[in-house]
Amino acid sequence: EAGVAQSPRYKIIEKRQSVAFWCNPISGHATLYWYQQILGQGPKLLIQFQNNGVVDDSQLPKDRFSAERLKGVDSTLKIQPAKLEDSAVYLCASSLAPYLGYTFGSGTRLTVV
Amino acid sequence: DAKTTQPPSMDCAEGRAANLPCNHSTISGNEYVYWYRQIHSQGPQYIIHGLKNNETNEMASLIITEDRKSSTLILPHATLRDTAVYYCIVRVGAPGNYGQNFVFGPGTRLSVLP
Repeated sequence: EAGVAQSPRYKIIEKRQSVAFWCNPISGHATLYWYQQILGQGPKLLIQFQNNGVVDDSQLPKDRFSAERLKGVDSTLKIQPAKLEDSAVYLCASSLAPYLGYTFGSGTRLTVV
Repeated sequence: DAKTTQPPSMDCAEGRAANLPCNHSTISGNEYVYWYRQIHSQGPQYIIHGLKNNETNEMASLIITEDRKSSTLILPHATLRDTAVYYCIVRVGAPGNYGQNFVFGPGTRLSVLP
């Protein structure tokens, strides 16, 4: 089975610029998650989708972060404008159902300079 | 906040068993114990999970105390490739439960030494 695909693998941008990350979950996985992992810390949930609807976005900084999952498959996470503290690895994960284990992608490492 | 407590780091000799402890003294009756690990530059990888009984799979064994307040992940013959951060997480595993996501703490950094 193919894993969770994420792109790009690395991204370097200047502060106040915008950036977008893409995630393709495992086929048939209805639940999709975006996590942010700052260096030295465990991953922190940003948003959870069930099909194309948002289940939990309570920790998403909505003034600058947005995410969508059109057609309930691929998802994009956008940051506009970026701040220095957004430097982190952004991980996408998917699962068949919320109560089952997740499969994570390799992440996108974002550096804001 | 994470509901578990783990030592920040541990060392283990290659070929020996690695025993990683986790304290979850406030665990609820319907919460499972999950273990994930994260190898450098990769996303977290599922290892094993359990409710009450001990569990074993091809990767590891999970030993849960009778009172369920702590558990131990056992890698029976650690290799250099097992060097990673190991996360112990408790969460509800019931069907239909939305919003109960995996909350990752800082985990235990396991170093397997040659």
